[in-house]
Order: sequence, then C-alpha cells, then structure tokens
Amino acid sequence: KQEVTQIPAALSVPEGENLVLNCSFTDSAIYNLQWFRQDPGKGLTSLLLIQSSQREQTSGRLNASLDKSSGRSTLYIAASQPGDSATYLCAPIGGFQKLVFGTGTRLLVSP
Amino acid sequence: DGGITQSPKYLFRKEGQNVTLSCEQNLNHDAMYWYRQDPGQGLRLIYYSQIVNDFQKGDIAEGYSVSREKKESFPLTVTSAQKNPTAFYLCASSMGGSAEAFFGQGTRLTVV
Repeated sequence: KQEVTQIPAALSVPEGENLVLNCSFTDSAIYNLQWFRQDPGKGLTSLLLIQSSQREQTSGRLNASLDKSSGRSTLYIAASQPGDSATYLCAPIGGFQKLVFGTGTRLLVSP
Repeated sequence: DGGITQSPKYLFRKEGQNVTLSCEQNLNHDAMYWYRQDPGQGLRLIYYSQIVNDFQKGDIAEGYSVSREKKESFPLTVTSAQKNPTAFYLCASSMGGSAEAFFGQGTRLTVV
C-alpha cells in the first residue's frame, strides 16, 4: 500500500526566502506525481504535474523534481511571498489512477 | 467557466439520516473521485469512477454510496451506516489514466 510522507509538517519563514518542501513515497511504481496547494477551508488547487518520464517541471516561481527510483519529490518555491501561505500536498498517481495523499506541509510566509 | 462544482458548501445531518452531496463537472472528464478529509489526516479515497455507469470502492467506502449515470455528475450519499460522517468532502475529476486531477471547493458535513 502506498504511503506518502511530507517533511517538514510545518514551516514558517520571512518573505523572500527560497523554500524546499519534501515528499517521499514507498511504492515507486507510479505513473505521475502531482503537487497541490490548499487554503484553509477550501478545495485543492493543482500546481504541477510531473510525468514519470520527466525529472523536473516548472511553473513560475515553482519547480518540482521527481526521482521515482528513490521515491522522492521536491517542491522548490523561489522568493516566497505571503500569498504562498497554504498547505502543500503531494500525490503520487499509481494503479487505477488513484491519487494517494500525505498530510501536507503547512507553510506560513510572514511579511 | 470550466470546473468542478460541489454543493452545498455546508450540510448538516441529523442522526439516522441519509444525505447526498452533489458534484458536477463541465470539463468533459471521464474519471471522477470522492475524497474525505479529516483534521490532521491526509485525504482518503471513498469511491472513484473511470467511466459512466461504473465505479469502484476506495479505501473507506463503508457507509457511503455513489452513482454515475451521467458523465458530468457523480453524487455521493452518506448513509446512516456511516458512524462518523463529520468531515470535509472533496470531489475531483481527471481525463483518466494518470492525467492531472482537479478538485472542487468541498462540502463540509456536520452531524447535529
């Protein structure tokens, strides 16, 4: 059974810092991996989808990497802003198209 | 606007009642999903459907039922058999396969 761990569980930084959020998963037989953000009381917003054939995917200040063999993905956030404050979730996509989620990293960026 | 619409945003259920949560998408996606989110826990899969008139149980299907009569609709019924239904419920859809998934804004269900 796929298990997903996200480290750190919480992170508080001043505005402008570059950040690294980590995601590890136990079953490397995945197709893709997706990163989301969730604001309090809201649904999930898709940030990036990394296909298994890719090693990196970039969108604006976000860059995500995927190493299937080691069961790891990393989300880099450059020049963090207060608007980046949210919970970040990763979800490897395996058999039967199911996304499996970790408990996320709660990020707070202070002005 | 294209997207996924969940309704209602808030729902209150009395003991012994069945309630139905609505999920509609206009993205022409084949696959649809229902997840449950509890404080301090990750999202857990309740049911998913890869095609109309077909659906499969997820990890926590007991006490829930679904139907998929139309491509754009995937309603979730929380039955009286679900002993702890208070949670945040999220619906998602995708093109299928390992395509990118998109989520609705969620329904918060509370037992009163």
